[in-house]
Amino acid sequence: GQQLNQSPQSMFIQEGEDVSMNCTSSSIFNTWLWYKQDPGEGPVLLIALYKAGELTSNGRLTAQFGITRKDSFLNISASIPSDVGIYFCATRRGSQGNLIFGKGTKLSVKP
Amino acid sequence: AAGVIQSPRHLIKEKRETATLKCYPIPRHDTVYWYQQGPGQDPQFLISFYEKMQSDKGSIPDRFSAQQFSDYHSELNMSSLELGDSALYFCASSLVVTGGLIEQYFGPGTRLTVT
Repeated sequence: GQQLNQSPQSMFIQEGEDVSMNCTSSSIFNTWLWYKQDPGEGPVLLIALYKAGELTSNGRLTAQFGITRKDSFLNISASIPSDVGIYFCATRRGSQGNLIFGKGTKLSVKP
Repeated sequence: AAGVIQSPRHLIKEKRETATLKCYPIPRHDTVYWYQQGPGQDPQFLISFYEKMQSDKGSIPDRFSAQQFSDYHSELNMSSLELGDSALYFCASSLVVTGGLIEQYFGPGTRLTVT
């Protein structure tokens, strides 16, 4: 079935560093989404991408929809302790919109 | 702004018991999705409803059923609970608009523990 390959699985960085994570698939998608999940909470939508090549920012976060429509990346600049959490890429499967997720990138930030 | 509401937030049940999880979508949202997230896993789609009709079905066990009511809230009914059903259960809601849909917003989840 359709699968999203997200990497890295985990990251340990110093506060102030930039972070980059990506998501790839063998299938073409029309939407790429990035969510952040804090422990025991629901995923929160960070950025939504709808067009190949699209580059979108949300504060210190920047995400791009790959030209091939098979990948996306998320960058976080100047990380801070509250960036800690699990970041999921996701895309919609079918016209009804149910989501499939990558396995997540667990981000830890050392002050 | 109003968010998705789920109740209860925590639930402890014994094997073979039943459980009912409730979801109240964001006002005016017409689509509800249910996801299951095991420990250390990504959320897995279970089932969705659009305008009170089932719109899609994922990896939902036959022991589970769900429905969306006239006020758009949804309930996930789980019977003959098994230890493996222990997980976080999320509800998400969205709105179908001309040309697409508003992205899904997730509730805080219900943590179900089966002992």
